[in-house]
Amino acid sequence: GQQVMQIPQYQHVQEGEDFTTYCNSSTTLSNIQWYKQRPGGHPVFLIQLVKSGEVKKQKRLTFQFGEAKKNSSLHITATQTTDVGTYFCVGMGGSEKLVFGKGTKLTVNP
Amino acid sequence: DGGITQSPKYLFRKEGQNVTLSCEQNLNHDAMYWYRQDPGQGLRLIYYSQIVNDFQKGDIAEGYSVSREKKESFPLTVTSAQKNPTAFYLCASSIFGQGARGYTFGSGTRLTVV
Repeated sequence: GQQVMQIPQYQHVQEGEDFTTYCNSSTTLSNIQWYKQRPGGHPVFLIQLVKSGEVKKQKRLTFQFGEAKKNSSLHITATQTTDVGTYFCVGMGGSEKLVFGKGTKLTVNP
Repeated sequence: DGGITQSPKYLFRKEGQNVTLSCEQNLNHDAMYWYRQDPGQGLRLIYYSQIVNDFQKGDIAEGYSVSREKKESFPLTVTSAQKNPTAFYLCASSIFGQGARGYTFGSGTRLTVV
């Protein structure tokens, strides 16, 4: 079945450092979504990427979708303590079903 | 404000009991989903429903049951057949065919077997 691998599983940074998480799918994706889950909370939708090679920015966050539509990345510039949480990539396959990566848990040392 | 309401927030189940988790949405979304989250894991799909009176098994449906009698409601029953039910359960909804708007999640129910 379709799988989405996400690395790293954990990332600890000093405040102000950059952070990147990567996702790779075993199959070509129709689109990929990114979610953030704060500790003790629920996933919150950040963005969706649809087009091959697409790049989108939200303030300090940059999202990329690979040319082959099998990989994606999320990059945070100059992390802040408010960025802590787990970031999930979610690939969309057929029938509107989402396949979640296992997430990258980000901690930020002030 | 529109959203998804899950209840209860915390639930304790004795061995051999069935329990039902509630999920209600007032977003007028067509599709609803149940996910299970275990520590250090991503979300795994239990059941989903794209229209009223229809639902489909996800990847880990064994030991669970659902119903979709109303568009707004998608309750999940964790039966005694589910051998390891302790987990965080998340309900989500979306406008079918318009996934670009993302999926809206409820705040979750933490189920513990005692």
